[in-house]
Amino acid sequence: NAGVTQTPKFRVLKTGQSMTLLCAQDMNHEYMYWYRQDPGMGLRLIHYSVGEGTTAKGEVPDGYNVSRLKKQNFLLGLESAAPSQTSVYFCASRYRPGHTYEQYFGPGTRLTVT
Amino acid sequence: DQQVKQNSPSLSVQEGRISILNCDYTNSMFDYFLWYKKYPAEGPTFLISISSIKDKNEDGRFTVFLNKSAKHLSLHIVPSQPGDSAVYFCAASAQSGFGNEKLTFGTGTRLTIIP
Repeated sequence: NAGVTQTPKFRVLKTGQSMTLLCAQDMNHEYMYWYRQDPGMGLRLIHYSVGEGTTAKGEVPDGYNVSRLKKQNFLLGLESAAPSQTSVYFCASRYRPGHTYEQYFGPGTRLTVT
Repeated sequence: DQQVKQNSPSLSVQEGRISILNCDYTNSMFDYFLWYKKYPAEGPTFLISISSIKDKNEDGRFTVFLNKSAKHLSLHIVPSQPGDSAVYFCAASAQSGFGNEKLTFGTGTRLTIIP
């Protein structure tokens, strides 16, 4: 099993450009998450999904959109990138409640917006 | 409002000694707690967890203690090894109620093991 994978690993954008980050998991997990990690801020939840076709806002959703068209994929979109979105982005997945509770993380995408 | 707090941004410990990482929480609905370990340029990996029905959980060199009345948990690593040098995140969830699908993370503590 590859676990949770993220594409791309690195990206540099100019202000106003758009991009999509792809997360894929092969563990048949119901729930998927997008976080951003900034120095001194820990991991902050952007959006999450509790199943195919569903999405919900997290703690810091502004400037991002997500889609979960297939159970194994969770896409994070930036429509008009801003320097404040420079960060490391992590995707995670887990089983639904009633199973184990821990989330499994991907390796991260380092995004720089200039 | 930081519901999960790790007040020590960094900690240095001699190899072979005990490392103690602390975490405080404010939300009384949290009933499940996890510790994650993160190496540079990698994603966080799950280390150990504890349910609020317990006050201690042990896994090899790692032990997590939970003090519900103080809303405090700690991670003990004994003995500390150079490979333990990483950032450690505390996380909490309200498994039995609203928001049980989410984890709230602390800001992390960078642990450095000195050889």
